[in-house]
Amino acid sequence: GQQLNQSPQSMFIQEGEDVSMNCTSSSIFNTWLWYKQDPGEGPVLLIALYKAGELTSNGRLTAQFGITRKDSFLNISASIPSDVGIYFCAGRRRTGNQFYFGTGTSLTVIP
Amino acid sequence: DAGITQSPRHKVTETGTPVTLRCHQTENHRYMYWYRQDPGHGLRLIHYSYGVKDTDKGEVSDGYSVSRSKTEDFLLTLESATSSQTSVYFCAISKGQGEKLFFGSGTQLSVL
Repeated sequence: GQQLNQSPQSMFIQEGEDVSMNCTSSSIFNTWLWYKQDPGEGPVLLIALYKAGELTSNGRLTAQFGITRKDSFLNISASIPSDVGIYFCAGRRRTGNQFYFGTGTSLTVIP
Repeated sequence: DAGITQSPRHKVTETGTPVTLRCHQTENHRYMYWYRQDPGHGLRLIHYSYGVKDTDKGEVSDGYSVSRSKTEDFLLTLESATSSQTSVYFCAISKGQGEKLFFGSGTQLSVL
């Protein structure tokens, strides 16, 4: 199946620091989605991206659709304790209905 | 809240027994999906539906079947559960093909 490489696998940061994570694919994607998952819950959609180069913000979160269409980036500014969780990327190719998911970035925020 | 209810939330069963998981949506979305989540693999698509009685396989469909007799309900059945099917199962919905996915809260299934 399609592999999405998400990095880093885990991050430990101080409260107030900025966070960056990324997702890369071997295929060109038409859509990128970013999710956050808390323990025992389902993934919650944070940001959706539909065009190469697109930059979209949701509060302190900003995501970008890479120019090559094979990558996407998520930044969190001024992290707070409630940002703790696992962040997933998901991508969809131009043809086909299926979204492929990365293996997640686990974020720990130290107060 | 995306209006998705999964039941049961937790289930423990024995190898060889049949198991059915239910997903119910109140959004009237056309597309419904079943994913499984395992450490190191991310979310992987089992089956999806694009309308009543219209279903298709995902990348990990072996050992699973689905049915959709009403727009709001999508059932996932393990005909004869195996220990390799121990996982967390998520239902998702989307309004149209390739559109944003919204997830339920998941079902933790343990096959002993």
